Amino acid sequence: EAGVAQSPRYKIIEKRQSVAFWCNPISGHATLYWYQQILGQGPKLLIQFQNNGVVDDSQLPKDRFSAERLKGVDSTLKIQPAKLEDSAVYLCASSLDSAGGSHEQYFGPGTRLTVT
Amino acid sequence: AQSVTQLGSHVSVSEGALVLLRCNYSSSVPPYLFWYVQYPNQGLQLLLKYTSAATLVKGINGFEAEFKKSETSFHLTKPSAHMSDAAEYFCAVNRAGFQKLVFGTGTRLLVSP
Repeated sequence: EAGVAQSPRYKIIEKRQSVAFWCNPISGHATLYWYQQILGQGPKLLIQFQNNGVVDDSQLPKDRFSAERLKGVDSTLKIQPAKLEDSAVYLCASSLDSAGGSHEQYFGPGTRLTVT
Repeated sequence: AQSVTQLGSHVSVSEGALVLLRCNYSSSVPPYLFWYVQYPNQGLQLLLKYTSAATLVKGINGFEAEFKKSETSFHLTKPSAHMSDAAEYFCAVNRAGFQKLVFGTGTRLLVSP
């Protein structure tokens, strides 16, 4: 079974530029998550999709971050304009919805963003 | 709201020694608890999970964890450390039946020869 795919793996941009990350979840997984992991910290949930609908985006900085999952499969996360403090690893995860399940999340390798 | 606290940002052990990584949780409802491992430049991999069945949970790579409700703890152990265990370990909690995971700040395990 193929895992969660993410691209690019690394990205370096200057502040005020824009950047986009792509994620393809495990086939059949209805729920997709984007996390931000700042160096030395645990991942923080930015946004959660179930199919193509947003379940939770309470910690997404909506003035600069946006995400979409138009067909309920792959997803893109965009930052425009980027700030220095956006330097982090952006992790995508997916889970299989099942009633009463633990909603185990499977993570992709992440995209390391450096904003200079 | 759920939260987890991982005591010790770094833990150093010798190869062959006992590994003990501490995690305490806070939850007003029965929690599901997870331990994830992250190797350099990789995503997170699930080691084990507690979902209200057996309180002693066995995971991959020889790791196990025990859910202790009275101590609100879910510490991760391994009897004998291996060099390949050197990585960052994260404890996480979610509310039973809900999907949102809340992670601790992580513990970096260092294994010396």
